[in-house]
Amino acid sequence: ELKVEQNPLFLSMQEGKNYTIYCNYSTTSDRLYWYRQDPGKSLESLFVLLSNGAVKQEGRLMASLDTKARLSTLHITAAVHDLSATYFCAVVYGGATNKLIFGTGTLLAVQP
Amino acid sequence: DVKVTQSSRYLVKRTGEKVFLECVQDMDHENMFWYRQDPGLGLRLIYFSYDVKMKEKGDIPEGYSVSREKKERFSLILESASTNQTSMYLCASSSPIFEKLFFGSGTQLSVL
Repeated sequence: ELKVEQNPLFLSMQEGKNYTIYCNYSTTSDRLYWYRQDPGKSLESLFVLLSNGAVKQEGRLMASLDTKARLSTLHITAAVHDLSATYFCAVVYGGATNKLIFGTGTLLAVQP
Repeated sequence: DVKVTQSSRYLVKRTGEKVFLECVQDMDHENMFWYRQDPGLGLRLIYFSYDVKMKEKGDIPEGYSVSREKKERFSLILESASTNQTSMYLCASSSPIFEKLFFGSGTQLSVL
C-alpha cells in the first residue's frame, strides 16, 4: 500500500526567507501533484510532475521530482505572506485501477 | 469553465440520519473520488469510481457507500451518520490518466 509522507507538518517562516517542503512516497509512481489549500477553501492545483528529474516553477515556488529516491520537493524562495496556506503533495498509485493518495499536508505560515 | 460541483457547502445532521452528498462534474471524466479531510490527517480516500456503476473502496470506506448511476454524478452516502463522521468532504474528478484533477469546493458536514 502506498504511503505519502510530508515534512515538516508545520512551517513558520519569515518573509524573505527560503525553505523546502519534502514529500516522500513508498512505492513506484510516475505522477505527482502539488496542491495549495487556503483556510476554508478547496484545493488548487499548483504543479503536476510527470517524470524523473522534472522541475516546474511558478513565481516563488519550484517543485521537483526524483522518482528513484521517491522524493519530491517544493522550494519556496523569498517567502511572502500571500504564500501562507496548507500545501499537499499527492501521488498516483496504480494497482488494478489508479487512485490518488495525499500526504498529510504542510501548514505554512509566513510572518511579516 | 470546467467544474466539479458539490451540492451543499454546509450540512448539519443528527446521529442516525441517512445523509447524501452529491457531486457533479461537467468534464466527462471517467474517474471520480470522495475524500474526507480532518485536521492533522490530510485527505483520506473513502471511495472512488473509474466508470459508471463501478466503484472501489479507498482507505477508509467503513460507514460509507457510494452510487454512480451516471457518468457525471457520484454520490456519497452515510447510511447512519455518526459524530465521528463530522468532517470536510471533498469530491474530485479526473481523466483516466490523471492528466488533470479537479476538486469541488467541499461540504462541511457536522453530525450532532
